[in-house]
Amino acid sequence: QVQLQESGPGLVKPSETLSLTCVVSGDSVSSYYWSWIRQSAGKGLEWIGHVYISETPNYNPSLKSRVTMSVDTSKNQFSLKLRSVTAADTAVYYCARRADYYDSRGFYTHYFDFWGQGTLVTVSS
Amino acid sequence: QSVLTQPPSVSGAPGQRVTISCTGGTSNIGAGYDVHWYQQLPGTAPKLLIFPNNIRPSGVSDRFSVSKSGTSASLAITGLQAEDEADYYCQSYDTSLSGSVFGGGTKLTVL
Repeated sequence: QVQLQESGPGLVKPSETLSLTCVVSGDSVSSYYWSWIRQSAGKGLEWIGHVYISETPNYNPSLKSRVTMSVDTSKNQFSLKLRSVTAADTAVYYCARRADYYDSRGFYTHYFDFWGQGTLVTVSS
Repeated sequence: QSVLTQPPSVSGAPGQRVTISCTGGTSNIGAGYDVHWYQQLPGTAPKLLIFPNNIRPSGVSDRFSVSKSGTSASLAITGLQAEDEADYYCQSYDTSLSGSVFGGGTKLTVL
């Protein structure tokens, strides 16, 4: 069974960098795309970006200027860094495995089949 | 403001049928991309609920079904049960992002 576990500071000061790690067990980080998704209190889900071992990461344009994702195959984990945070970045951050497939028309698409439990990050001084 | 639009809430009595809509645009659902649905119980991570072809992951009731037409998709739940109370989210691929978009979520209340 694939399991994902987020870790990182629960409190980050404004203007600093949010750093999270997602450890993967039951699968290899070299085998799939891996994503970060966040959820602000009382709000919906927001895709932050995804990373794959042999490709340039792809980020949500709304966050692209502040985000960096990377994969560490030696530790079977991937990470998220979000710079210059503000209170608006306060959210529960989830890591997730992205499952890709070709649909009935041959279009390449995906869904998220395994999720971490989520970690709350609060931005406050 | 989420890219995909869902009603904030729906409700129904036990045994009834409810539907949750998900409306997108020409860069996602309208472009023909599949829509996936997730169920989020309080305090837990979202869980994949059903595939676009109505195949359900192991353990998911056959009371859940989906459909899609044009720029919208729908999740239907028949024979409502108290355990169905949760938040439901739709998700699709968006060509303008080259990534995922989600709906704002719909809170289902079983009366």
